[in-house]
Amino acid sequence: DTGVSQNPRHKITKRGQNVTFRCDPISEHNRLYWYRQTLGQGPEFLTYFQNEAQLEKSRLLSDRFSAERPKGSFSTLEIQRTEQGDSAMYLCASSPTSIEQYFGPGTRLTVT
Amino acid sequence: QKEVEQDPGPLSVPEGAIVSLNCTYSNSAFQYFMWYRQYSRKGPELLMYTYSSGNKEDGRFTAQVDKSSKYISLFIRDSQPSDSATYLCAMRALNFGKGTSLLVT
Repeated sequence: DTGVSQNPRHKITKRGQNVTFRCDPISEHNRLYWYRQTLGQGPEFLTYFQNEAQLEKSRLLSDRFSAERPKGSFSTLEIQRTEQGDSAMYLCASSPTSIEQYFGPGTRLTVT
Repeated sequence: QKEVEQDPGPLSVPEGAIVSLNCTYSNSAFQYFMWYRQYSRKGPELLMYTYSSGNKEDGRFTAQVDKSSKYISLFIRDSQPSDSATYLCAMRALNFGKGTSLLVT
């Protein structure tokens, strides 16, 4: 068990470009969560998967954001037409229950 | 009113002090209460979680829940410089506090 991994760790992109992040959860965890965190704030919930089903999406997840978890294993989060306000740390977490989360190291996105 | 409120600090204490970190919440339906530690530029790390009211101890850390007051606390005994981090409370996956920044010198 190597924990939750996220790639890339850092991404710098120009405004208007699309970006995709990947999360590999702990293998036996069937729940997977995406969060966004900005400086001085706690993680803000974006979306949640149980196996391959996306069960909940935050109102923060605009039409430019999409997430997938094919086959209930790894997950991807795509942001289309990035804006400067999308600059943040994007965190992925997995869980064997609906209680605690085990977080990855995050992907830091900078939109210039 | 946000569902989870947490004083952002910063809180600065001398090494060896007892630290008290607190959160309040508004939703009486919350049953599970989690504490995470987050070092700078890292993902949060689960410290411990408690169910309903009462205390739970794990080494130098004690989590306390008072459901009647909708108030939870994390106590750190014999604080160390390595405890310097941001401490986040959470009621469930959707509800995190802003975090309290702790510096132990």
